[in-house]
Amino acid sequence: SQQGEEDPQALSIQEGENATMNCSYKTSINNLQWYRQNSGRGLVHLILIRSNEREKHSGRLRVTLDTSKKSSSLLITASRAADTASYFCATENAGGTSYGKLTFGQGTILTVHP
Amino acid sequence: DAGITQSPRYKITETGRQVTLMCHQTWSHSYMFWYRQDLGHGLRLIYYSAAADITDKGEVPDGYVVSRSKTENFPLTLESATRSQTSVYFCACTQGLALDTQYFGPGTRLTVL
Repeated sequence: SQQGEEDPQALSIQEGENATMNCSYKTSINNLQWYRQNSGRGLVHLILIRSNEREKHSGRLRVTLDTSKKSSSLLITASRAADTASYFCATENAGGTSYGKLTFGQGTILTVHP
Repeated sequence: DAGITQSPRYKITETGRQVTLMCHQTWSHSYMFWYRQDLGHGLRLIYYSAAADITDKGEVPDGYVVSRSKTENFPLTLESATRSQTSVYFCACTQGLALDTQYFGPGTRLTVL
Protein backbone atom coordinates (compact mmCIF):
# COMPACT_ATOMS: atom_id res chain seq x y z
CA SER A 1 0.00 0.00 0.00
CA GLN A 2 1.11 3.54 -0.58
CA GLN A 3 2.70 5.36 2.32
CA GLY A 4 1.69 8.77 1.08
CA GLU A 5 -1.82 9.93 0.35
CA GLU A 6 -2.12 13.18 -1.52
CA ASP A 7 -4.87 15.71 -1.53
CA PRO A 8 -6.37 16.97 -3.71
CA GLN A 9 -6.05 14.48 -6.55
CA ALA A 10 -6.45 17.33 -9.03
CA LEU A 11 -6.15 21.10 -8.71
CA SER A 12 -7.00 23.72 -11.32
CA ILE A 13 -6.02 27.35 -10.80
CA GLN A 14 -5.31 30.56 -12.69
CA GLU A 15 -1.84 31.87 -13.36
CA GLY A 16 -0.64 34.02 -10.47
CA GLU A 17 -2.61 32.14 -7.83
CA ASN A 18 -1.03 29.98 -5.17
CA ALA A 19 -1.31 26.20 -5.27
CA THR A 20 -1.31 24.06 -2.14
CA MET A 21 -0.98 20.29 -2.14
CA ASN A 22 -1.08 18.06 0.89
CA CYS A 23 0.47 14.71 1.69
CA SER A 24 -0.23 12.38 4.60
CA TYR A 25 1.79 9.35 5.55
CA LYS A 26 1.52 6.51 8.01
CA THR A 27 4.85 5.57 9.53
CA SER A 28 7.85 7.39 10.97
CA ILE A 29 10.11 8.90 8.35
CA ASN A 30 13.70 10.05 7.89
CA ASN A 31 12.74 12.63 5.32
CA LEU A 32 10.00 13.63 2.93
CA GLN A 33 10.59 14.72 -0.64
CA TRP A 34 8.49 16.32 -3.34
CA TYR A 35 8.88 15.46 -7.00
CA ARG A 36 7.38 16.88 -10.14
CA GLN A 37 6.46 14.99 -13.29
CA ASN A 38 5.64 16.64 -16.58
CA SER A 39 3.43 14.65 -18.91
CA GLY A 40 5.36 11.78 -20.51
CA ARG A 41 8.53 12.47 -18.54
CA GLY A 42 10.38 11.09 -15.57
CA LEU A 43 10.18 12.57 -12.09
CA VAL A 44 12.31 15.52 -11.10
CA HIS A 45 13.26 16.26 -7.51
CA LEU A 46 11.97 19.56 -6.12
CA ILE A 47 12.72 19.75 -2.43
CA LEU A 48 13.58 17.59 0.57
CA ILE A 49 12.65 18.22 4.19
CA ARG A 50 14.15 16.28 7.05
CA SER A 51 12.08 14.82 9.83
CA ASN A 52 13.46 17.36 12.32
CA GLU A 53 12.61 20.34 10.11
CA ARG A 54 9.25 22.09 10.07
CA GLU A 55 9.51 24.35 7.04
CA LYS A 56 11.74 24.76 4.03
CA HIS A 57 11.82 27.17 1.12
CA SER A 58 13.21 26.93 -2.38
CA GLY A 59 12.38 29.74 -4.78
CA ARG A 60 8.58 29.80 -5.14
CA LEU A 61 8.22 26.54 -3.22
CA ARG A 62 7.45 26.25 0.46
CA VAL A 63 7.21 22.88 2.17
CA THR A 64 5.97 22.27 5.69
CA LEU A 65 6.18 19.11 7.71
CA ASP A 66 4.14 18.19 10.78
CA THR A 67 5.43 14.89 12.11
CA SER A 68 2.84 14.81 14.89
CA LYS A 69 0.09 14.76 12.26
CA LYS A 70 2.21 12.81 9.77
CA SER A 71 1.49 15.33 7.07
CA SER A 72 3.24 17.72 4.72
CA SER A 73 2.16 20.46 2.38
CA LEU A 74 3.71 21.93 -0.74
CA LEU A 75 2.89 25.53 -1.59
CA ILE A 76 3.72 26.96 -5.00
CA THR A 77 3.38 30.72 -4.97
CA ALA A 78 2.57 32.92 -7.96
CA SER A 79 1.95 29.92 -10.16
CA ARG A 80 2.78 29.90 -13.86
CA ALA A 81 1.40 27.88 -16.75
CA ALA A 82 4.75 26.06 -16.83
CA ASP A 83 4.01 24.69 -13.34
CA THR A 84 1.35 22.45 -14.86
CA ALA A 85 2.44 18.93 -13.93
CA SER A 86 1.85 16.10 -11.48
CA TYR A 87 3.37 16.50 -8.04
CA PHE A 88 4.31 13.56 -5.84
CA CYS A 89 5.37 13.33 -2.24
CA ALA A 90 7.74 10.54 -1.30
CA THR A 91 8.90 9.39 2.09
CA GLU A 92 12.02 7.63 3.20
CA ASN A 93 10.72 5.56 6.07
CA ALA A 94 12.66 5.32 9.30
CA GLY A 95 14.37 2.02 9.90
CA GLY A 96 17.56 0.42 8.62
CA THR A 97 16.00 -1.62 5.83
CA SER A 98 14.39 1.46 4.29
CA TYR A 99 17.56 3.46 3.74
CA GLY A 100 17.59 4.99 0.28
CA LYS A 101 14.15 3.63 -0.58
CA LEU A 102 11.25 5.97 -1.22
CA THR A 103 7.53 5.33 -0.99
CA PHE A 104 5.48 7.55 -3.28
CA GLY A 105 2.01 8.95 -3.01
CA GLN A 106 -0.42 8.85 -5.90
CA GLY A 107 0.17 12.45 -6.82
CA THR A 108 -1.72 15.68 -7.39
CA ILE A 109 -2.37 16.83 -10.94
CA LEU A 110 -1.92 20.60 -11.08
CA THR A 111 -3.26 22.59 -14.01
CA VAL A 112 -2.40 26.28 -14.21
CA HIS A 113 -4.47 28.22 -16.74
CA PRO A 114 -2.86 31.21 -18.47
CA ASP B 1 26.58 14.27 -19.37
CA ALA B 2 23.98 11.60 -20.20
CA GLY B 3 22.84 10.95 -16.60
CA ILE B 4 20.36 8.11 -16.49
CA THR B 5 18.89 6.58 -19.62
CA GLN B 6 16.36 3.88 -20.37
CA SER B 7 15.79 1.75 -23.44
CA PRO B 8 13.62 1.14 -25.23
CA ARG B 9 11.33 4.10 -24.65
CA TYR B 10 8.35 2.23 -26.05
CA LYS B 11 7.78 -1.51 -26.33
CA ILE B 12 4.85 -3.62 -27.46
CA THR B 13 5.00 -7.33 -26.77
CA GLU B 14 2.72 -10.32 -26.48
CA THR B 15 1.63 -12.30 -23.48
CA GLY B 16 4.18 -14.95 -22.54
CA ARG B 17 7.18 -13.33 -24.17
CA GLN B 18 10.31 -12.37 -22.28
CA VAL B 19 11.10 -8.67 -22.25
CA THR B 20 14.14 -6.85 -20.88
CA LEU B 21 14.12 -3.17 -20.06
CA MET B 22 17.49 -1.51 -19.83
CA CYS B 23 18.69 1.18 -17.46
CA HIS B 24 22.09 2.85 -17.60
CA GLN B 25 23.57 5.63 -15.44
CA THR B 26 26.81 7.51 -15.93
CA TRP B 27 27.29 8.77 -12.36
CA SER B 28 28.40 5.52 -10.69
CA HIS B 29 25.65 5.95 -8.12
CA SER B 30 25.42 3.06 -5.69
CA TYR B 31 21.65 2.65 -5.49
CA MET B 32 19.38 1.89 -8.42
CA PHE B 33 15.63 1.32 -8.46
CA TRP B 34 12.87 0.10 -10.74
CA TYR B 35 9.35 1.47 -10.37
CA ARG B 36 6.16 0.97 -12.26
CA GLN B 37 3.60 3.74 -12.62
CA ASP B 38 -0.06 2.95 -13.07
CA LEU B 39 -3.15 5.12 -12.85
CA GLY B 40 -4.54 4.99 -9.36
CA HIS B 41 -1.39 3.50 -7.85
CA GLY B 42 1.26 6.16 -8.26
CA LEU B 43 4.78 4.75 -8.37
CA ARG B 44 5.42 1.36 -6.85
CA LEU B 45 8.86 -0.06 -6.22
CA ILE B 46 9.59 -3.32 -8.02
CA TYR B 47 13.25 -4.01 -7.16
CA TYR B 48 16.20 -2.06 -5.95
CA SER B 49 19.94 -2.54 -5.73
CA ALA B 50 22.35 -1.09 -3.19
CA ALA B 51 25.46 -1.98 -5.20
CA ALA B 52 26.68 -4.33 -7.89
CA ASP B 53 25.54 -7.89 -7.19
CA ILE B 54 23.23 -6.73 -4.37
CA THR B 55 19.52 -6.65 -5.16
CA ASP B 56 16.35 -6.85 -3.13
CA LYS B 57 12.61 -6.96 -3.66
CA GLY B 58 10.37 -3.96 -3.42
CA GLU B 59 6.61 -3.76 -3.09
CA VAL B 60 5.60 -5.54 -6.33
CA PRO B 61 8.40 -7.93 -7.44
CA ASP B 62 6.36 -10.88 -8.71
CA GLY B 63 6.94 -11.64 -12.38
CA TYR B 64 10.14 -9.58 -12.57
CA VAL B 65 13.83 -10.43 -12.39
CA VAL B 66 16.76 -8.05 -12.02
CA SER B 67 20.51 -8.30 -12.15
CA ARG B 68 23.35 -5.88 -11.51
CA SER B 69 26.68 -7.19 -12.66
CA LYS B 70 28.00 -3.66 -13.26
CA THR B 71 27.37 -0.55 -11.18
CA GLU B 72 26.10 1.44 -14.14
CA ASN B 73 23.52 -1.03 -15.48
CA PHE B 74 20.35 -2.38 -13.90
CA PRO B 75 18.24 -4.39 -16.37
CA LEU B 76 14.69 -5.46 -15.53
CA THR B 77 13.37 -8.65 -17.12
CA LEU B 78 9.79 -9.76 -17.41
CA GLU B 79 10.26 -13.50 -17.78
CA SER B 80 6.78 -14.20 -19.17
CA ALA B 81 4.92 -10.97 -19.77
CA THR B 82 1.29 -10.65 -18.70
CA ARG B 83 -1.27 -7.99 -19.56
CA SER B 84 -1.21 -6.76 -15.97
CA GLN B 85 2.41 -5.75 -16.54
CA THR B 86 1.33 -3.13 -19.07
CA SER B 87 2.65 0.01 -17.43
CA VAL B 88 5.21 2.78 -17.56
CA TYR B 89 8.48 1.70 -16.00
CA PHE B 90 10.93 4.13 -14.44
CA CYS B 91 14.47 3.52 -13.41
CA ALA B 92 16.09 5.76 -10.80
CA CYS B 93 19.41 6.06 -9.04
CA THR B 94 20.90 7.77 -6.03
CA GLN B 95 24.30 7.98 -4.46
CA GLY B 96 22.80 6.68 -1.25
CA LEU B 97 24.31 9.33 0.96
CA ALA B 98 22.23 10.84 3.72
CA LEU B 99 19.55 13.20 2.42
CA ASP B 100 20.28 12.32 -1.18
CA THR B 101 17.56 12.47 -3.80
CA GLN B 102 16.67 10.08 -6.57
CA TYR B 103 17.30 10.82 -10.24
CA PHE B 104 14.84 9.33 -12.67
CA GLY B 105 15.16 8.09 -16.21
CA PRO B 106 12.65 9.12 -18.89
CA GLY B 107 10.62 5.91 -18.58
CA THR B 108 9.69 2.97 -20.79
CA ARG B 109 6.08 2.56 -21.85
CA LEU B 110 5.39 -1.17 -22.10
CA THR B 111 2.24 -2.62 -23.62
CA VAL B 112 1.55 -6.34 -23.31
CA LEU B 113 -1.09 -7.57 -25.75
